[in-house]
Amino acid sequence: DAGITQSPRHKVTETGTPVTLRCHQTENHRYMYWYRQDPGHGLRLIHYSYGVKDTDKGEVSDGYSVSRSKTEDFLLTLESATSSQTSVYFCAISEPTQGTYNEQFFGPGTRLTVL
Amino acid sequence: QKEVEQNSGPLSVPEGAIASLNCTYSDRGSQSFFWYRQYSGKSPELIMSIYSNGDKEDGRFTAQLNKASQYVSLLIRDSQPSDSATYLCAPLGYSTLTFGKGTMLLVSP
Repeated sequence: DAGITQSPRHKVTETGTPVTLRCHQTENHRYMYWYRQDPGHGLRLIHYSYGVKDTDKGEVSDGYSVSRSKTEDFLLTLESATSSQTSVYFCAISEPTQGTYNEQFFGPGTRLTVL
Repeated sequence: QKEVEQNSGPLSVPEGAIASLNCTYSDRGSQSFFWYRQYSGKSPELIMSIYSNGDKEDGRFTAQLNKASQYVSLLIRDSQPSDSATYLCAPLGYSTLTFGKGTMLLVSP
């Protein structure tokens, strides 16, 4: 998985609790992304980062926040989890160059269940 | 709203046949296009990238791009049961990918 780890890999939590998912990379790539994947919706971008402390919103950012204090780590926080945030969360990384045009590589995913 | 359309399938082909997967997209500004393969319960895996109109071949895979028609396709020659997976099409916008919902491919022995 291109030097990308996600933790935890599985989590069950209750509605209203805060949850933080971590993505760690060893590739020194500049861009990092958080997606969620749900049946019938496919992969949807939540937030992304184009450098340390530089982040931007994606298509489905409501209810989520992110932080990136180091190149290698990108955190996704659900401030108050809801059942609609039950999903599989994928982190991805990329290093845009003239030859690769921002090819993204995915981590193994985190399965989150909010009861 | 950027749209990426793929037939959900399943597309069923016999082993050894050619599988043809299609994708249309709405964002005319898209310049780069990617195909990912995703096995059930696993993460997406990049299998092809294409940036110019025409064909690009890599082993048993051929990607075809027609920007005027906003159409990109993936051909898999000599399909194998191990090719059974969901294939995701993803055009690149300014700096982010938009994914289609994917086409499920089933290759029967």
